[in-house]
Amino acid sequence: DIQMTQSPSSLSASVGDRVTITCRTSQSISNYLHWYQQKPGKAPRLLIYGATSLQSGVPSRFSGGGSGTDFTLTISSLQTEDFATYYCQQSYSTRITFGQGTRLEIK
Amino acid sequence: QVTLRESGPALLPPTQTLGLTCTFSGFSLKTRGVRVSWIRQPPGKALEWLARIDWDDNDAFYSTSLKARLTISKDTSRNQVFLTMTNMDPVDTATYYCARSLGVATGFDSWGQGVLVTVSS
Repeated sequence: DIQMTQSPSSLSASVGDRVTITCRTSQSISNYLHWYQQKPGKAPRLLIYGATSLQSGVPSRFSGGGSGTDFTLTISSLQTEDFATYYCQQSYSTRITFGQGTRLEIK
Repeated sequence: QVTLRESGPALLPPTQTLGLTCTFSGFSLKTRGVRVSWIRQPPGKALEWLARIDWDDNDAFYSTSLKARLTISKDTSRNQVFLTMTNMDPVDTATYYCARSLGVATGFDSWGQGVLVTVSS
């Protein structure tokens, strides 16, 4: 199976900060990489698909980058509602895998 | 409007078989490219993909580590997808989600609210 490694596992930041979360895969997955936001007690929400495409309805402060094995999720200016846990997921393989998550906390 | 809703037992004794149903609306599993997956999340832990079934009758895929215990099936006339997991253990305690994807490059764009299944005697 393709292994997904997110970093950092947790992050403290302030409103207005620019933050970047990284996802590295154990083999090249082209751009079959997606990002999700999850808040406590809620289902995940798709933010970015195909590594760089913004899902409909998602604020433009979210952006994705990368291809191959290294990917990023960037939030350009943190808002209060962005404090949550973020997951990457690959769909290159029929055996889908998720990263372990990055918890974004208020500093 | 696309909706998915999971249903199943809240509490299950160890060694029993879990049966879950995902009832959806706003799309059809007869449409080319449509896929429905089951994903679980133990309390405080990460998401884990379990299984996927596609619009194509011959296509179903399973987690490598859980393949021997899982069966995914569908009833397209009732807009439902089913998952069975045998020999349940307390470590299988988790929130189980069903989610839709529209192809290999689109991610899971719609999710159910999840059902918490606790395995305990």
